[in-house]
Amino acid sequence: DIQMTQSPSSLSASVGDRVTITCQASQDISNYLNWYQQKPGKAPKLLIYDASNLETGVPSRFSGSGSGTDFTFTISSLQPEDIATYYCQQYDNLVFTFGPGTKVDIK
Amino acid sequence: QVTLKESGPVLVKPTETLTLTCTVSGFSLSNARMGVSWIRQPPGKALEWLAHIFSNDEKSYSTSLKSRLTISKDTSKSQVVLTMTNMDPVDTATYYCARMSCSSTSCPRGYFDYWGQGTLVTVSS
Repeated sequence: DIQMTQSPSSLSASVGDRVTITCQASQDISNYLNWYQQKPGKAPKLLIYDASNLETGVPSRFSGSGSGTDFTFTISSLQPEDIATYYCQQYDNLVFTFGPGTKVDIK
Repeated sequence: QVTLKESGPVLVKPTETLTLTCTVSGFSLSNARMGVSWIRQPPGKALEWLAHIFSNDEKSYSTSLKSRLTISKDTSKSQVVLTMTNMDPVDTATYYCARMSCSSTSCPRGYFDYWGQGTLVTVSS
């Protein structure tokens, strides 16, 4: 099975800061990489699909890029409501895999 | 409006079998570009994918839990059922069902665009 890693595992940033999270797959997954936001006590919410496509209704400050094994998720200007844990996810050969998550909070 | 809702026991005893039902609305389980997965999350921990059922009834399972899991669907009732045998306290978690969608160019590689609210299952004697 493909393994997913994320870094950092947590970060603290100021409102307005640019925040970047990376996700790495153990083998080439083309651009089939998705990003989710999960707030405490809530179900995850899809933000980005197929590496760089913004889900309908998601603010444009969220973006994603990458292909192959290395992917990046960016919040261009961190807002207080962005405090959450962010997960990457891939699908390959009938198996779905989530990354371990990155917890984002306000400094 | 797409919704998914999990139902099942909140408490199970060790060694028992857990049966969870996901009732969906707003889409059909026979839609070729959709499927439903079960995903769980132990308290304070990361998401863990468990099982998936495709529109053509093909099924897939987590490699580590495959021997304990069975997923099935009843399209006429708009329900997806997950059973997990031999429950253990480490299986205590919030269990989510989620709809997987895929684009015409990416299927079956998909993304989870709608989620249920989740149901907390505690395993304890």
